[in-house]
Amino acid sequence: DTAVSQTPKYLVTQMGNDKSIKCEQNLGHDTMYWYKQDSKKFLKIMFSYNNKELIINETVPNRFSPKSPDKAHLNLHINSLELGDSAVYFCASSSGPYEAFFGQGTRLTVV
Amino acid sequence: DAKTTQPTSMDCAEGRAANLPCNHSTISGNEYVYWYRQIHSQGPQYIIHGLKNNETNEMASLIITEDRKSSTLILPHATLRDTAVYYCIVRVGGSNYKLTFGKGTLLTVNP
Repeated sequence: DTAVSQTPKYLVTQMGNDKSIKCEQNLGHDTMYWYKQDSKKFLKIMFSYNNKELIINETVPNRFSPKSPDKAHLNLHINSLELGDSAVYFCASSSGPYEAFFGQGTRLTVV
Repeated sequence: DAKTTQPTSMDCAEGRAANLPCNHSTISGNEYVYWYRQIHSQGPQYIIHGLKNNETNEMASLIITEDRKSSTLILPHATLRDTAVYYCIVRVGGSNYKLTFGKGTLLTVNP
């Protein structure tokens, strides 16, 4: 069983489109995250939810909107996609401040 | 969270111990040292963490100096599958849980 699963794994879309990435964890964790890894391989946190409540919102354009329907799911919706949004997006979960488990990533390419 | 400094890259022969250093000279008393790694195209993987005592698990050992200003991750018998970017992260244990990734060390294990 995959602990943290993301869908889709690859996403190619045109500029201006709206897309969503889904994340699910079956670890029973109460905290979930979205990280972005750009072309230079830097990993940066975007958002974090704890028990469905937003606790971290880094400097991210408001075109990005996370949604947590329940503790096991954290989806990322992106409006009006831009070329600069091309990156690998990782979902992660943890039980409080302890080790985080990451998904395999979603490679988003905006053309 | 305190800043860390790691070598950009290191090489290690298969079967030998890999010792990855990390400098965190501005670490505070309540900050933990975490190690993660990222194998090419995969999500980051938790390895180990510690506060001031040395720690060991099935993957690695973590040696923290007495003044806590530096640490070393030890992979006792490196294999080709250990080739990855290794990240040393310093973080307050009870904080908002985010991980701040630096550039890490690319460890290449050679046959």
